[in-house]
Parts: sequence; structure tokens; C-alpha cells
Amino acid sequence: VQLLQSGAEVKKPGESLKISCQGSGYDFLNYWIGWVRQMPGKGLEWLGVIYPGDSDTRYSPSFQGHVSISVDKSISTAYLQWNSLKASDTAIYYCATQEASGVITLDFWGQGTLVTVSS
Amino acid sequence: EIVMTQSPATLSVSPGERATLSCRASQSVSSNLAWYQQKPGQAPRLLIYGASVRATGIPARFSGSGSGTEFTLTISSLQSEDFAVYYCQQYSNWPPLTFGGGTKVEIK
Repeated sequence: VQLLQSGAEVKKPGESLKISCQGSGYDFLNYWIGWVRQMPGKGLEWLGVIYPGDSDTRYSPSFQGHVSISVDKSISTAYLQWNSLKASDTAIYYCATQEASGVITLDFWGQGTLVTVSS
Repeated sequence: EIVMTQSPATLSVSPGERATLSCRASQSVSSNLAWYQQKPGQAPRLLIYGASVRATGIPARFSGSGSGTEFTLTISSLQSEDFAVYYCQQYSNWPPLTFGGGTKVEIK
């Protein structure tokens, strides 16, 4: 199982951004992909999750409306998107495989994408 | 939302000693509790799920216990590679999945 994330981004407040997470080595359609934020020097925060098979998506109430999660099944890639970035979005964002029932842990992780938002 | 609280924030331990980390949930999560290890510059790694079940490839020196609202991660004899930050995570009531603030295990 491998999750390969897109490279670091530097953006200005108000700009849009879409980062990616490409899965390989497993049945991409049948494993949920979750997203986790880690602000500089801080802990882990769960943003949301998507099921690539039917694009069923669930969000943390803290992040719903500010980020959106999507998937392109044809290229085994999940996305995390912002329409209007804030300086407080500066963080490392990880994708990880996740179940949605039973043992709901984040099992296999991408390497992380550093997003820097600064004027 | 279930709030997870970890203590202590930092734990100073000598190599070969035992480390005991605590995690408390704001309401019962039964045994729906996982532990992760994160080293600097790396993604987290799953250590324990179901409060006490080691994930694949995790050494036996890592053990988890507890249920309800009180949980413990014990590292029986700290190795150099174990100095890291450890997070607990509940999956009893979601969304959202929630993590504790982390415990940093540092060399004494």
C-alpha cells in the first residue's frame, strides 16, 4: 500500500488550492481515504473522509464548509480542496487509508503535503 | 464531539526504562481507542487499536490497556527509536475522529 501526496505549496490568503493523494498497491475503490491536519508544532486533527467507490464523504463539523474532499477514480487519486485559503490553513496535510465501520483507524499514511499560506 | 486528553505532555525517560502514557476520554469510548507514534519529519504510524491490540509489525514492548474513559500505553523498555510523540484517537463516536494532544517521550 502506498499513498503518494503532491508537493509543497505556497499560497496567498484568499487563493484556492487542491492537493492530491494517489493510492497504489491496493484496491483503491474499496478503502476509504481520510485527511488529517497538523499545524506547525501541534497535534493531529481529522478533517474528513471519502469512499472512492461512490464518493460518499463525511466531514468534521469543524472543517465542513471550509474544505472539500473529492476523488478521481480513473487515476486512483483523492483530493483536498480550499476555495479561499486563510493564514491559519498553514499546516502539513496527510492522507491515510481509513475504515468507516468497525475498527476506524488510519492505517497507511501518505508522506504529507506542506501548505504555507502567507501574504 | 468526544474530547481526548493526554498526560503528561512530556515524559522524560532513560533508555531501557518503562514509559507509561495516559489518555482520557470525555465520555466512554468502550475499547474504540487507538495509539499512534510520530517521529520528527514523519507521518504517524498506527501502534495499537481496540485499546490493546498491536498493529501488524509492532514490537511486543508496546502494550495498551483500558476501556471506557481511561487508557494507558506502556512501553516496557524504551529503545532509542521509541523517542517520539504518541497520540491516542477515539473511534467510538464519529465524525469526527478525535485525537489527544499528544505526549512527547524524550530522552532523560
